[in-house]
Amino acid sequence: AQKITQTQPGMFVQEKEAVTLDCTYDTSDQSYGLFWYKQPSSGEMIFLIYQGSYDEQNATEGRYSLNFQKARKSANLVISASQLGDSAMYFCAMTVSGGYNKLIFGAGTRLAVHP
Amino acid sequence: DSGVTQTPKHLITATGQRVTLRCSPRSGDLSVYWYQQSLDQGLQFLIQYYNGEERAKGNILERFSAQQFPDLHSELNLSSLELGDSALYFCASSVGDRGLEDTQYFGPGTRLTVL
Repeated sequence: AQKITQTQPGMFVQEKEAVTLDCTYDTSDQSYGLFWYKQPSSGEMIFLIYQGSYDEQNATEGRYSLNFQKARKSANLVISASQLGDSAMYFCAMTVSGGYNKLIFGAGTRLAVHP
Repeated sequence: DSGVTQTPKHLITATGQRVTLRCSPRSGDLSVYWYQQSLDQGLQFLIQYYNGEERAKGNILERFSAQQFPDLHSELNLSSLELGDSALYFCASSVGDRGLEDTQYFGPGTRLTVL
C-alpha cells in the first residue's frame, strides 16, 4: 500500500534562514508523482511544488525546492530565506499510476517562522 | 486564489440531517476531487469525477454521494449526519489528462460542524 510519512510534527526556523521539511514515501510503483502543499491557518490548501518519479533534476519553484532522493524514497521540501508568512502546515502527498491521481497525504508538519 | 470555489464556507447542522456542498472547478478543468480533512483521519480522498463521470472512489461512506453536472460543477451530499462527520471538506480540480503530474488546485473548503 502507498504511504507518506512526515516524521516532524512541528518545526521552527528563524526568519531568513533555510529549513528542510522531511517526507518519505512508500510505493512499489515505478511511476509516481510527489507534491507539497501549504495550509495556512486560514485553511486553504496551496500547491507549492511537484516532482515526477522520472525527473532527474530536483524541482524548484522560487524559494521552494524539492530534494528528491529516489533510492531513499525521500522527497524533502527545502524553503530558503524563510519569511513570517511561511508559518503554516505543510503536507507532502503522492499520486501513483493506476490511482487516477488521487492524492495520498502525509500527516503534515507545522512550521513556525520566528522573527 | 486557486480559481476553485466552494460554498458554503461554513455549515452547522444537527445529527441526522442532510447537507449539500457545492464546488465549481477552475475554468478548463475537467476533473473534480473531494477530500475530507479531520483531526483523527487527516486528509482523505473521497471521490473523483472526470467530465461528468465517476472515475475513482476512496474512503467515502455509503451515506455520502456526489455528482458532477454537465457544466462541470460538483456537489457532495452528506446524509444521516453523525458527530464524526464534522470536518473540513475540500474540493480540488485539475485538467484531468496530464497523468501523474496533473496538479490539483484546492478550493477554500467547507467547514462542516455537526451538533
